[in-house]
Amino acid sequence: GQQLNQSPQSMFIQEGEDVSMNCTSSSIFNTWLWYKQEPGEGPVLLIALYKAGELTSNGRLTAQFGITRKDSFLNISASIPSDVGIYFCAGQLRIQGAQKLVFGQGTRLTINP
Amino acid sequence: DTGVSQNPRHKITKRGQNVTFRCDPISEHNRLYWYRQTLGQGPEFLTYFQNEAQLEKSRLLSDRFSAERPKGSFSTLEIQRTEQGDSAMYLCASSLGASPGETQYFGPGTRLLVL
Repeated sequence: GQQLNQSPQSMFIQEGEDVSMNCTSSSIFNTWLWYKQEPGEGPVLLIALYKAGELTSNGRLTAQFGITRKDSFLNISASIPSDVGIYFCAGQLRIQGAQKLVFGQGTRLTINP
Repeated sequence: DTGVSQNPRHKITKRGQNVTFRCDPISEHNRLYWYRQTLGQGPEFLTYFQNEAQLEKSRLLSDRFSAERPKGSFSTLEIQRTEQGDSAMYLCASSLGASPGETQYFGPGTRLLVL
C-alpha cells in the first residue's frame, strides 16, 4: 500500500530556532496536509495544500506541495515552547468518492528553552 | 460547533472482552472516518461512512471489528474478543464532502489498553 516517509523522526532544538521537516512518497497525492498532535489528543490540521508547487503559510508555519506531487515540506520559523509535539504529514487519496488519508510516521519536536 | 467528540477517552479491558467506542461528528458533516494509531506511528485508515453507508473498509479491519452509523450521525466501533494487539488509539474524523478541499477534523481519540 501507499507509504509516506517522513524525516527527521525527531528533532531537538533551542527556542527561537527554525525547523524544517519533509515527507516523500512513491505515490502521487492530490492533496497534502500537515497535522500536529499533542499527547493524548487527536491530530489538529495546520496547513492543507491542494496544488502542485503551492506554497502556503499559516503564521510562522510554511508548507509546500512538491511539483511531482510526491513530496512536501513544512517549516516552522522562530520556534516557541508551544510548538512541541508530533508533526504528521498526510497525503489524501480519493476512494469511493471520499478522501482517505495516508500518514507519515511523524516528526517529534522537542524544544529546549 | 463543538468539534468531533469521542467516548470513552480511555478504556482498559481484559483480553477476550468486547468493547464499543462512540464518535459524534461535527454536525452536518456527512462523512465519518475511523483510524487506528499505534505508539510511535501515524494514524492508519480503518473505515469510512458516507451518511449511514459504510463504503470502504481497510484490510486492517478484521472480522472482530464492526462499525455502524445507523442514522448517519454518530458512529460506533465495536471490537469483539479483544486481543492485546488491539491496544491502540482509535481516532474518529469527520468531514463535509463534495468539495476538492475536503478537510477531515479529528476527535481526541479513545485509547484502548487490552490486558
